[in-house]
Amino acid sequence: AQKVTQAQTEISVVEKEDVTLDCVYETRDTTYYLFWYKQPPSGELVFLIRRNSFDEQNEISGRYSWNFQKSTSSFNFTITASQVVDSAVYFCALSEAPTGGSYIPTFGRGTSLIVHP
Amino acid sequence: NAGVTQTPKFQVLKTGQSMTLQCAQDMNHEYMSWYRQDPGMGLRLIHYSVGAGITDQGEVPNGYNVSRSTTEDFPLRLLSAAPSQTSVYFCASSQPRDRDRANYGYTFGSGTRLTVV
Repeated sequence: AQKVTQAQTEISVVEKEDVTLDCVYETRDTTYYLFWYKQPPSGELVFLIRRNSFDEQNEISGRYSWNFQKSTSSFNFTITASQVVDSAVYFCALSEAPTGGSYIPTFGRGTSLIVHP
Repeated sequence: NAGVTQTPKFQVLKTGQSMTLQCAQDMNHEYMSWYRQDPGMGLRLIHYSVGAGITDQGEVPNGYNVSRSTTEDFPLRLLSAAPSQTSVYFCASSQPRDRDRANYGYTFGSGTRLTVV
């Protein structure tokens, strides 16, 4: 069964600090997909990134970067030079290929990031 | 605008009442799912559908029914509301054929905040 663990319940930083949100996953499938979503105070869920299990390249998008390491089953998310607008709950999610799985993602419990001015 | 539409946005029910949360998507997505979000619990899967006429249970299905008579609609029914069903409900959809595209992800509705008194 698939499982996602976000051990950090809440992180508090001061603006311009770098912050890393951890995500550890469990799956028995060799083909799977990992996601990060952002939930700002307004409540909607915003898709940030998708990574498939065959692509271990790290990705950078502006101030956001993601480090995918299959050896440690981790898919960590780093925000560089954090801003107040980054304050949100961030969810990591995992979906398995439909050989027994259904591509329906399992979510972690989320990490609440608070960026103080 | 294309996307996932949930109605209503807010609802208060009395214990024992029934109601249907509506979810519609206009992206011709095959997969649709319902999640509930509770503080500290992340998003937990209630029911999901991999196509019209096909539904299955998720992690927390008790007290909820679903049906998928069309590709577009995936209503969630509460047969006899209980205070434990007070939560924020999210509907999501995805197109598994797009899973190798960089922007593949799950599109979420804006949520329904349900209070059962």
